[in-house]
Amino acid sequence: AQSVAQPEDQVNVAEGNPLTVKCTYSVSGNPYLFWYVQYPNRGLQFLLKYITGDNLVKGSYGFEAEFNKSQTSFHLKKPSALVSDSALYFCAVRVGTGGSYIPTFGRGTSLIVHP
Amino acid sequence: DSGVTQTPKHLITATGQRVTLRCSPRSGDLSVYWYQQSLDQGLQFLIHYYNGEERAKGNILERFSAQQFPDLHSELNLSSLELGDSALYFCASSPRLAGVVDTQYFGPGTRLTVL
Repeated sequence: AQSVAQPEDQVNVAEGNPLTVKCTYSVSGNPYLFWYVQYPNRGLQFLLKYITGDNLVKGSYGFEAEFNKSQTSFHLKKPSALVSDSALYFCAVRVGTGGSYIPTFGRGTSLIVHP
Repeated sequence: DSGVTQTPKHLITATGQRVTLRCSPRSGDLSVYWYQQSLDQGLQFLIHYYNGEERAKGNILERFSAQQFPDLHSELNLSSLELGDSALYFCASSPRLAGVVDTQYFGPGTRLTVL
């Protein structure tokens, strides 16, 4: 079975500081990893994904994520946080062979950026 | 704008009633996924349709059913509603059947309140 853990329900960061939202996964087979963001009263929006190749993936709005196979992690990062980044962030994993193509989502991490 | 539309945006109804939620996928997408989002359960996969056929089921109650029509729009039917069914219901679309590298595009959701 595949699973995703987002160990922090909430992350607080000051505007201008770097931010990290953590995600770890457990799969049998090669993982395909996704980050989505949900603003209040909106649907989930795609940020970035890791399929293969370079472990550092760049996405929308200045976000990036680093795939670490040995630590089974895919943490979301941004060098300088904005108040407008405050939202709910979801990590998701899909698996090709040996798993389900249906995405498994983490429970979400609320990011709060303070002015 | 993801290109996925959902109606209605809000729905308030009473216990025991039946409602229908509608989703139109992005142009060209053949896969439609339904999810339920609640505070205590997070984002739960309900069901997946591809080109009119049911392809995968998740944590979907027997009181719930769905279908995908020839024009590819999908409907989620919820019957004998209970207070615990109050949640946000999202649909998401993607191009292929089991494209594990495909991004899912989410609609804005329908907020269901059961009184």
